Amino acid sequence: QSVLTQPPSASGTPGQRVTISCSGSSSNIGTNTVNWYQHLPGTAPKLLIYSSNQRPSGVPDRFSGSKSGASASLAISGLQSEDEADYYCAAWDDSLSGVVFGGGTKLAVL
Amino acid sequence: EVQLVESGGGLVQPGGSLRLSCAASGFTFSGYDMHWVRQITGKGLEWVSAIGTAGGTFYPGSVKGRFTISRENAKNSLYLQMNSLRVGDTAVYYCARAAGTTLFDYWGQGTLVTVSS
Repeated sequence: QSVLTQPPSASGTPGQRVTISCSGSSSNIGTNTVNWYQHLPGTAPKLLIYSSNQRPSGVPDRFSGSKSGASASLAISGLQSEDEADYYCAAWDDSLSGVVFGGGTKLAVL
Repeated sequence: EVQLVESGGGLVQPGGSLRLSCAASGFTFSGYDMHWVRQITGKGLEWVSAIGTAGGTFYPGSVKGRFTISRENAKNSLYLQMNSLRVGDTAVYYCARAAGTTLFDYWGQGTLVTVSS
């Protein structure tokens, strides 16, 4: 059972917009920023969004993040087949004094 | 170019020990917090440990008292000493550079640890 809650799966067709939610609490997302990672099996995870809504250089602007209260969301617009991957949210938890990840969301591009 | 290369993974029996290493290059290693993150097969990412630039360490309850993270700045190296290993520790272990508290901007390719009799 992960501290941050994500839906286990999401799907969309090419060109569509999908959102992935990440629900936490006042000790993590409610107080600290959220980062999002994209992970393809067998490869190193990749930073997608940092500080809740910032994109590292090289990440397409199709990816965006937001945060409200103790929840965060990752939105992917103009869905492409290459976006098929696992997506994780992460935040620092003040109560646990550690990093907490969401359980991950497997995105399928149909 | 920033590079992180893990090594030391392998097969170990339950109760055994293993030491992972992460060789860093392309950046000022001593200036960054470093973390270990693992992915158990078929499951999600799980944070394993962190070490700050001043040497302070952090662990989740699942590994506290069994795992020890350390760093050797002169060798640009990060380590994870894993003792009393359990079957449930079987995972791919990644080292990651932290540009912020949970902002892991560079990751290694991972090293597989298998705990089995």
